[in-house]
Amino acid sequence: QQQVKQSPQSLIVQKGGISIINCAYENTAFDYFPWYQQFPGKGPALLIAIRPDVSEKKEGRFTISFNKSAKQFSLHIMDSQPGDSATYFCAASMRSNTGKLIFGQGTTLQVKP
Amino acid sequence: DGGITQSPKYLFRKEGQNVTLSCEQNLNHDAMYWYRQDPGQGLRLIYYSQIVNDFQKGDIAEGYSVSREKKESFPLTVTSAQKNPTAFYLCASSKPGQAREKLFFGSGTQLSVL
Repeated sequence: QQQVKQSPQSLIVQKGGISIINCAYENTAFDYFPWYQQFPGKGPALLIAIRPDVSEKKEGRFTISFNKSAKQFSLHIMDSQPGDSATYFCAASMRSNTGKLIFGQGTTLQVKP
Repeated sequence: DGGITQSPKYLFRKEGQNVTLSCEQNLNHDAMYWYRQDPGQGLRLIYYSQIVNDFQKGDIAEGYSVSREKKESFPLTVTSAQKNPTAFYLCASSKPGQAREKLFFGSGTQLSVL
C-alpha cells in the first residue's frame, strides 16, 4: 500500500510533441504528490507538485493531472524540447509519515530533435 | 552558493571494506536524508535525521550506518554487511517541517564494487 507505480520506464518523444508519464497509488492517506526531474549525473530537483483538492496544476509547459477516484496522477510535458530529456520521478507522501516521500520507479525521457 | 556537496563523485569498494560517503550542506536545514538509486527502482530511503545527534532508519537501512554530529554534515558508511552496494547514492536536505514540500538533493556519489 506504500508503493507508487510509475509508467512507462522509458519514453521517446519528438521535439514539439507531448510527453505523458503516469503514476498510480493505493494508499488513500497520501495527500501530496510531487514530481522530480533528474539530469544525468545530478540529483533530482522538484519540478511541480499537486494536492488532491485540485484536479490539475500547470506551470509553464508542465501540467499535473490528478484523478482522485482512480488514484492516479500524470505529468504532461507540452511542446517537449531536447532540454527536457531527463529522468522523471513521481512521489507521494502523507502528513502522518514524518514527511517521508515514496518515489515511483522513474521514467527516462528522451526528446529527439 | 548554498547547496549540498557530496564527495567523492565516484567511489570503489573492495570486498570486506567499509566506505564512507560525505554529505555537507550550507542551507541551514535541520533535516537530512540518504537515498539509494538503482535503475528501475526509483529512490529508496536509507536513513534520515531531523535534528543533530538523532537519526532514524529508512526502508533499506541494513548494511549502512550514519552519524549526525553537526547540523551541516550527515556522512553515510556502507559497511561490509551490505552485500550489494553498487548504486548511486543521493543526499538530501529539507527545511524544518517541509520534507514533504521540497527536498534539496546533492549531485550524488556512484559507488561500485571492485
